[in-house]
Amino acid sequence: DTEVTQTPKHLVMGMTNKKSLKCEQHMGHRAMYWYKQKAKKPPELMFVYSYEKLSINESVPSRFSPECPNSSLLNLHLHALQPEDSALYLCASSQSRDEAFFGQGTRLTVV
Amino acid sequence: QKEVEQDPGPLSVPEGAIVSLNCTYSNSAFQYFMWYRQYSRKGPELLMYTYSSGNKEDGRFTAQVDKSSKYISLFIRDSQPSDSATYLCAMSDYGGATNKLIFGTGTLLAVQP
Repeated sequence: DTEVTQTPKHLVMGMTNKKSLKCEQHMGHRAMYWYKQKAKKPPELMFVYSYEKLSINESVPSRFSPECPNSSLLNLHLHALQPEDSALYLCASSQSRDEAFFGQGTRLTVV
Repeated sequence: QKEVEQDPGPLSVPEGAIVSLNCTYSNSAFQYFMWYRQYSRKGPELLMYTYSSGNKEDGRFTAQVDKSSKYISLFIRDSQPSDSATYLCAMSDYGGATNKLIFGTGTLLAVQP
């Protein structure tokens, strides 16, 4: 099983809302990632968790707040987003130096 | 200069053609190379994973890595309309316990029936 599951698949939120994106994997991977992808662009790394600790934050605005409750779960908390934050948000996982597997993404629209 | 350059396409081929997709890179520390296929509005799907130089074959797909030239390729034989997607190369030097991937910009492929 190489599945990374993301929920919800679609999300529309207002600029004053608070929402969360969820990601789950059961491959025993110890590294989990959030990426942001705009249309016709490659994914851009946002955060990396390694062994449930935040190891990389690519200077992402504080309105995005990641959380890793355990080795299988990764959340991305959203607050006071801007319309330009509308994008496909991708979760991925890997086992250290192995290949990374992506979820199907959450398509976020900020209105 | 970007770390990873990918032929932008778009590329349109007839069904059954051999497709060649390519990326070049500048960071000689890259050791791990991946090709992903991404359908519109979906997440990237891992197609091939290669460590260091050499060839790897999986069905209709062959990945080649030439570290001396800093050049990687993905070949698709007997291309099908279902292969129509964006193909992303990605690579990493694995400086640690995580996989910080550097992506190419993607090549949009259309296989015409």
